[in-house]
Amino acid sequence: DAGVTQSPTHLIKTRGQQVTLRCSPKSGHDTVSWYQQALGQGPQFIFQYYEEEERQRGNFPDRFSGHQFPNYSSELNVNALLLGDSALYLCASSLVGSTTYNEQFFGPGTRLTVL
Amino acid sequence: GQQVMQIPQYQHVQEGEDFTTYCNSSTTLSNIQWYKQRPGGHPVFLIQLVKSGEVKKQKRLTFQFGEAKKNSSLHITATQTTDVGTYFCAGASGSARQLTFGSGTQLTVLP
Repeated sequence: DAGVTQSPTHLIKTRGQQVTLRCSPKSGHDTVSWYQQALGQGPQFIFQYYEEEERQRGNFPDRFSGHQFPNYSSELNVNALLLGDSALYLCASSLVGSTTYNEQFFGPGTRLTVL
Repeated sequence: GQQVMQIPQYQHVQEGEDFTTYCNSSTTLSNIQWYKQRPGGHPVFLIQLVKSGEVKKQKRLTFQFGEAKKNSSLHITATQTTDVGTYFCAGASGSARQLTFGSGTQLTVLP
């Protein structure tokens, strides 16, 4: 049973560039959430995708966008990169529940460095 | 917006000592989750608490959810070197699908 996978593991970009990060959820999961984790901080919620739609968004600018595909995999796109976007980007998958927020299975993350 | 605060930020203990981390939310939570992140790793789910006053145990770990559903704690009895890592609480409010993480407590266990 494959867990959550993310690619690439590391990425170096320069200011102003654009980046795409990819995530495949755990088998059987249908919901993907993206988080940004700066060094020494807790993960910050970027957005969540379910049924190929963004259904919840955190306090991140429009430079951050995403997509979910019919096979439940997801992409995170960041445009016009800033130095402050350097962080570990985590993808987490879950199975949508009726009332309670479900256990998140995190991937290993993509370490993005912006120079 | 919702804020989740966690204390202490760092904790060094001698192996065998107990450890507790506390989590406080600015709003009433519908549920709270706890995660552990090893150095260089990713967060791993430990437990979810939903009911007011709920207490759950996992071997040496005891988790509590406050009566007002605004605070929570994680207590580890007789720490071991394998307990090293950062412990995060994460809460959700109402029907929101957004988890708000605390800043974490980094635990160091000295042998």
